[in-house]
Amino acid sequence: AQSVTQLGSHVSVSEGALVLLRCNYSSSVPPYLFWYVQYPNQGLQLLLKYTSAATLVKGINGFEAEFKKSETSFHLTKPSAHMSDAAEYFCAVTTKRNRDDKIIFGKGTRLHILP
Amino acid sequence: DAGVTQSPTHLIKTRGQHVTLRCSPISGHKSVSWYQQVLGQGPQFIFQYYEKEERGRGNFPDRFSARQFPNYSSELNVNALLLGDSALYLCASSFGFSEAFFGQGTRLTVV
Repeated sequence: AQSVTQLGSHVSVSEGALVLLRCNYSSSVPPYLFWYVQYPNQGLQLLLKYTSAATLVKGINGFEAEFKKSETSFHLTKPSAHMSDAAEYFCAVTTKRNRDDKIIFGKGTRLHILP
Repeated sequence: DAGVTQSPTHLIKTRGQHVTLRCSPISGHKSVSWYQQVLGQGPQFIFQYYEKEERGRGNFPDRFSARQFPNYSSELNVNALLLGDSALYLCASSFGFSEAFFGQGTRLTVV
């Protein structure tokens, strides 16, 4: 079975500061990992994905994440926060090994950007 | 290209009623999945359909059902609505087993 744990339900950073959102996963088989962003009253938008190629994954809007198998982590970072980054962020895992490719989501981290 | 479209965007129903939510996938996508997102939580998997065949079912009661049509659009049906069914219902489409694209969701409120 797969699961995802996001550390911190709320994270606040100042505009221009480093953004670090933490995610740890559990999977009995090699995982595919994702970060999604959700703005208020919106659906989910894919930021980036890891599918067993390069361990450092670059996504949209300047975000990137590094897959660390030894730490079972897939933390999301951005060097310099912008006010428009304020949103809810979800880490997610799937395996693509079953007949279905259901995605297992974490509980989310709400990112607040301080002026 | 149009993304995943869901209708309606908002819905208010009374306990015990039935509701049907609709989803049109991205053109060419044959897989549709449904997720329930309760306020303050991550989305929870409900169903996946691929080529009109149910491929997966999450841990939801039998009051929840779905189907996929020949044009790959999909309906999610919920019977005997409970207050706890109030949530954002998200539809996602993908081309085979690949990246999922999500719609804007249907906000269901049960009163």
